[in-house]
Amino acid sequence: SQKIEQNSEALNIQEGKTATLTCNYTNYSPAYLQWYRQDPGRGPVFLLLIRENEKEKRKERLKVTFDTTLKQSLFHITASQPADSATYLCALHTVKAAGNKLTFGGGTRVLVKP
Amino acid sequence: EPEVTQTPSHQVTQMGQEVILRCVPISNHLYFYWYRQILGQKVEFLVSFYNNEISEKSEIFDDQFSVERPDGSNFTLKIRSTKLEDSAMYFCASSERAPLGYTFGSGTRLTVV
Repeated sequence: SQKIEQNSEALNIQEGKTATLTCNYTNYSPAYLQWYRQDPGRGPVFLLLIRENEKEKRKERLKVTFDTTLKQSLFHITASQPADSATYLCALHTVKAAGNKLTFGGGTRVLVKP
Repeated sequence: EPEVTQTPSHQVTQMGQEVILRCVPISNHLYFYWYRQILGQKVEFLVSFYNNEISEKSEIFDDQFSVERPDGSNFTLKIRSTKLEDSAMYFCASSERAPLGYTFGSGTRLTVV
């Protein structure tokens, strides 16, 4: 069966350090992988998209890698700040002739301590 | 910054009643979606909509659910006969093109009693 796995344990990290989150998937051949941020009671907010033929993408303090051989993506927040505290969601985008959909992992909660 | 607007923010309904959740996607977006999130669980895909028809739907999206784009701006999700297990946060999203990042609304919290 298809699975998207993110570490369900919260990641506690000191301000200024780099947070690294993992997303592993099985039985998918995603064309794209996306990362979102979700705050409590709010909708997900899009952060980054990486294509299957891209190895790495950066946006400000965020970096995403995508290894289709390992079926894994890593999400890094460098120089973390308390305002980065949220749940981060990995999502796979599959495209078929009939349509497209984005499937989310369960998310990893990040808590950045001052 | 353009937004996806959802109304109402909260809805309490009796089991068996019909509810309509409303969404105004971003105006130049072509793809529309509904997702739901049961408290403490993952964001689950319900349905995608493009060119005035459903392009994909999940197993959750059974005959009790329907979507409509009644005019050029609104996108609605109807649940015909609500069940207790339909209680969740429902998110509408839109995207300009299919693989681009989605813009989500703030959600409608549906409580079925």
